[in-house]
Amino acid sequence: EAQVTQNPRYLITVTGKKLTVTCSQNMNHEYMSWYRQDPGLGLRQIYYSMNVEVTDKGDVPEGYKVSRKEKRNFPLILESPSPNQTSLYFCASSLSVQYEQYFGPGTRLTVT
Amino acid sequence: AQSVTQPDIHITVSEGASLELRCNYSYGATPYLFWYVQSPGQGLQLLLKYFSGDTLVQGIKGFEAEFKRSQSSFNLRKPSVHWSDAAEYFCAVGAGGSYIPTFGRGTSLIVHP
Repeated sequence: EAQVTQNPRYLITVTGKKLTVTCSQNMNHEYMSWYRQDPGLGLRQIYYSMNVEVTDKGDVPEGYKVSRKEKRNFPLILESPSPNQTSLYFCASSLSVQYEQYFGPGTRLTVT
Repeated sequence: AQSVTQPDIHITVSEGASLELRCNYSYGATPYLFWYVQSPGQGLQLLLKYFSGDTLVQGIKGFEAEFKRSQSSFNLRKPSVHWSDAAEYFCAVGAGGSYIPTFGRGTSLIVHP
C-alpha cells in the first residue's frame, strides 16, 4: 500500500530537549516536505527536499532541521524545541513539486 | 508570488443540500490546482486536481471543481452533501518557480442533519 508514515503520532516534550520526527514514503517520490498546521494559519511549509541530499527552506524554517540521506526518509529535527513549536506536523511526498502531495497522518507535538 | 484565498472560514449546510466552496488563486501561468480534504484527526487526502484540458474535473466522493481562468477561481462543488463530508477543505496551487506549494487557510464544513 502506497503511504507516508510518521512517527511518533503524539509527542509531549520539554523546552530544549532535542527530538526527531521520522517520515518515510514507499512511493519512490523525489519531492518531500514538512508542514506545520496551526489554527487559523492553515498549512505552512517548513522545509522541502527535491531529492537525496537536496533540501531547502520553506516558509517557516526557523528552529528546524532536516536531512535527506535516503530517498524514502525525511526526518524533521528540533534541536532545542520551544513552546511556540507546539503544533500539528505533516510530512508529505510527491513525484515532483508541481504534482499532488501524499500526506502522512500527522504528529501532534506539545512543548512545555 | 503565488497565493490562494479561501474566503469562507466556516460553511454550514444541511445534509442533502448542495455545496460550493470557493477558492481564488494568484499565479502567473496556468496553475496546477488541487483540493484536499482533512477529516478530524487525519492527514490530508487529495479530492481532485486540475493540470490542463477540461476545466470541469471530477474527484472522489462525488466532488467536482471548475477551473475558471477569467475569474482565477477553482471552486469545489457537490450536489448533495452527506454528514460524512464534514471536514476541513484546502485548496492548493502547485509550486512554480519557488518550489513551495501554496495552500489556502482552509474552509471548515459543518453538516447539519
